[in-house]
Amino acid sequence: DADVTQTPRNRITKTGKRIMLECSQTKGHDRMYWYRQDPGLGLQLIYYSFDVKDINKGEISDGYSVSRQAQAKFSLSLESAIPNQTALYFCATSDARDRKETQYFGPGTRLLVL
Amino acid sequence: GEDVEQSLFLSVREGDSSVINCTYTDSSSTYLYWYKQEPGAGLQLLTYIFSNMDMKQDQRLTVLLNKKDKHLSLRIADTQTGDSAIYFCAETGPGAGSYQLTFGKGTKLSVIP
Repeated sequence: DADVTQTPRNRITKTGKRIMLECSQTKGHDRMYWYRQDPGLGLQLIYYSFDVKDINKGEISDGYSVSRQAQAKFSLSLESAIPNQTALYFCATSDARDRKETQYFGPGTRLLVL
Repeated sequence: GEDVEQSLFLSVREGDSSVINCTYTDSSSTYLYWYKQEPGAGLQLLTYIFSNMDMKQDQRLTVLLNKKDKHLSLRIADTQTGDSAIYFCAETGPGAGSYQLTFGKGTKLSVIP
């Protein structure tokens, strides 16, 4: 079983719709992250959370919000989706006790905004 | 700002060595990483190097770090078709002790049979 799971794996939505992408992990890690990946642009950090009560903006948080419902769950919402939010979205986790801060990635959610 | 640069494409023949290069900007990074992304999958940590090391070898993988030039490279010996993937260089940053990763744009390695 995968340690970091994301649902849905694929999503098509229309401009202006609100959508939520979900991430769950069974690794027991306290830190969780949301990234987006665009072709040729690498990964950009949207939000990150060090524990349930700690939420921080990343480099491209505008147009997104997050919720850390539990240590194992971190969801990303697009309040009003727009076409330039079409991208591949990844959730990741890390363990604060790991000095090298290895991040473990989910399989990704491919989002298309029409 | 922080930036990690790497070339976008590399093509090699099966059995040859591949060398993927990366330059970074944050000299305070404690660790530097190589992540691998196979088609349709998320990123997986391939290897890493501690900033006080010059070289790290792990089976077919050799990581070289030149701190003076802020240059990191990944050499894959005897490249196989299964090595075809996108390889991301990453550094911790900004700032010493930072938990955030800054990724390069990724180098797509194509292995020709």
